[in-house]
Amino acid sequence: QVQLVQSGAEVKKPGASVKVSCKASGYTFTSYYMHWVRQAPGQGLEWMGIINPSGGSTSYAQKFQGRVTMTRDTSTSTVYMELSSLRSEDTAVYYCARAALIAAAGTSWFDPWGQGTLVTVSS
Amino acid sequence: EIVMTQSPATLSVSPGERATLSCRASQSVSSNLAWYQQKPGQAPRLLIYGASTRATGIPARFSGSGSGTEFTLTISSLQSEDFAVYYCQQYNNWPPLFTFGPGTKVDIK
Repeated sequence: QVQLVQSGAEVKKPGASVKVSCKASGYTFTSYYMHWVRQAPGQGLEWMGIINPSGGSTSYAQKFQGRVTMTRDTSTSTVYMELSSLRSEDTAVYYCARAALIAAAGTSWFDPWGQGTLVTVSS
Repeated sequence: EIVMTQSPATLSVSPGERATLSCRASQSVSSNLAWYQQKPGQAPRLLIYGASTRATGIPARFSGSGSGTEFTLTISSLQSEDFAVYYCQQYNNWPPLFTFGPGTKVDIK
């Protein structure tokens, strides 16, 4: 079955960077775009960006431009999301979520989702 | 940017009753609208895509309708496991820019 397994919780100091991984299994990794979505405590869902695991191209939400980098490793079927210059407002659960349709970037819903990774930013 | 709004923010319903959740887009998204259910401590779960198509394994008591800017999620007879937060999401942009509504919490009356 399709599965996305994320790395464990992180605690970082303000100004630091964090890198979260998402390992995919159960499907052809390079055929489906992958998204990152975050959720601050008690808040809603916020889309961060998308990566094409095939060629590595990315598109980021304007809010995160310059601070986020999404990469992939096709040898391990893993995508990564690195967020730099962390501040307290970045404390959130970060999810990877696969585009449901094959080779679909802007016109697909998300399914499935990873289990989430809690990133806590605190001095 | 397309802004999504949801109403009400909280809906108190008794088990067995019908729940109607609304989602509105600031401009037309055609039928490119999905609904997700999220329970505390869990990742969102896809319920509906294409505004009205149930995802695999989703019970028939969940139904979606609408197109353009106005959408509705209906739960025909609430079960205990349905008390959760529900988010709508549009996926109608290029370059990609996906936006979610703020969510509707369905709790026990």
